[in-house]
Amino acid sequence: RKEVEQDPGPFNVPEGATVAFNCTYSNSASQSFFWYRQDCRKEPKLLMSVYSSGNEDGRFTAQLNRASQYISLLIRDSKLSDSATYLCVVNMGYGGATNKLIFGTGTLLAVQP
Amino acid sequence: EAQVTQNPRYLITVTGKKLTVTCSQNMNHEYMSWYRQDPGLGLRQIYYSMNVEVTDKGDVPEGYKVSRKEKRNFPLILESPSPNQTSLYFCASSPSGVYNEQFFGPGTRLTVL
Repeated sequence: RKEVEQDPGPFNVPEGATVAFNCTYSNSASQSFFWYRQDCRKEPKLLMSVYSSGNEDGRFTAQLNRASQYISLLIRDSKLSDSATYLCVVNMGYGGATNKLIFGTGTLLAVQP
Repeated sequence: EAQVTQNPRYLITVTGKKLTVTCSQNMNHEYMSWYRQDPGLGLRQIYYSMNVEVTDKGDVPEGYKVSRKEKRNFPLILESPSPNQTSLYFCASSPSGVYNEQFFGPGTRLTVL
């Protein structure tokens, strides 16, 4: 099983749609969870940190389910500018590996006009 | 402007010719790391550094060296590059480790012939 797994997509959605991505992680001791956004072959940029209580930033909502070991990202009212690859990122939380981050392979979102 | 810079941005070289990719940050961050990104594999951590003179292997350290003599710089050294090191490389920094936002450089596209 991969340490962090995402559906690669692509998710093709019309403008205004609501879309959700899930990401599963294998290590139950992981403590840090993030969603990053990456535009085509550019550097990743932080979209949101994911907290146990869930968090929202405008049209974006992130949630963590520790029991099932997954995090989710919900995008409401999709814009053309949301088209990008969304990377799920988790730290490794065991032994001496707590300072390592594992990136998912990303989910490609294409918002259509 | 707060940023992470990498040089060169693009490099084509031949097998066995030693090269160095520089990374510098001006945010006084303690944590720095190197990643490579390959299609279908996502970002994989090569090396990371918690502070000056402290470096640790990531998931794919073979064929790479790093050093952290100064807080702001974290060069990546390929002593004898091989074609399987053809990739897109990103340097990143954060204030204190994996619990913070990672700030990425613009990337270095390396081709080894």
